[in-house]
Amino acid sequence: QVQLVESGGGVVQPGRSLRLSCAASGFSFSTYAMQWVRQAPGKGLEWVALIWHDGSNKDYADSVRGRSTISRDNSKNTVYLQMNSLRVEDTAVYYCARDRSGWLHSSDIWGQGTMVTVSS
Amino acid sequence: DIQMTQSPSSLSASVGDRVTITCRASQTIDNYLNWYQQKPGKAPNLLIYGASSLRSGVPSRFSGSGSGTDFTLTINSLQPEDFATYYCQQTYTTPPWTFGQGTKVGVK
Repeated sequence: QVQLVESGGGVVQPGRSLRLSCAASGFSFSTYAMQWVRQAPGKGLEWVALIWHDGSNKDYADSVRGRSTISRDNSKNTVYLQMNSLRVEDTAVYYCARDRSGWLHSSDIWGQGTMVTVSS
Repeated sequence: DIQMTQSPSSLSASVGDRVTITCRASQTIDNYLNWYQQKPGKAPNLLIYGASSLRSGVPSRFSGSGSGTDFTLTINSLQPEDFATYYCQQTYTTPPWTFGQGTKVGVK
């Protein structure tokens, strides 16, 4: 079935790095743009980053631009989020989601999320 | 960046009630407005895209309307499984694609 599975979360000290992964299955991964969305504990959703289907274009939220890099490996059906210089305010559940460009860029498939805790 | 403002932030309702949630954009976004439902500990679930298009499999008691800057999500005859938090999101032009702050629908 169509599925996204995130991994790579954990507890990390401020200033350190972490790479999140999102493995896709059940659909033609290389034809879809992919996104990362995060949710701090008890807070709302925050859009984080987008990568086009072929990796040719990437966009970031101001809160992570310059510290994070979204990438993908279409041969492995996987999208990544490399996060550097982590801050306490980056603590959140990170979801990857499939972008439906034909549905006005709504996110129709979501992973279960991976928790990132930034704490000393 | 485009700001999205939802109202109310929370509401209390009973099974069978009609519930209306509004979302306002800080500038026109045409119909690039999506609605999501999120239950505690779960990922969001897309309900409506393009302001008014109901995703396949979503019950018809959910409906969306609006264009430009003002949008509405309506739940007709609220069911027990509808108690959740609802988010709007704009996906107009290039990112960032911002979310509203959410509306929690609780039990009266």
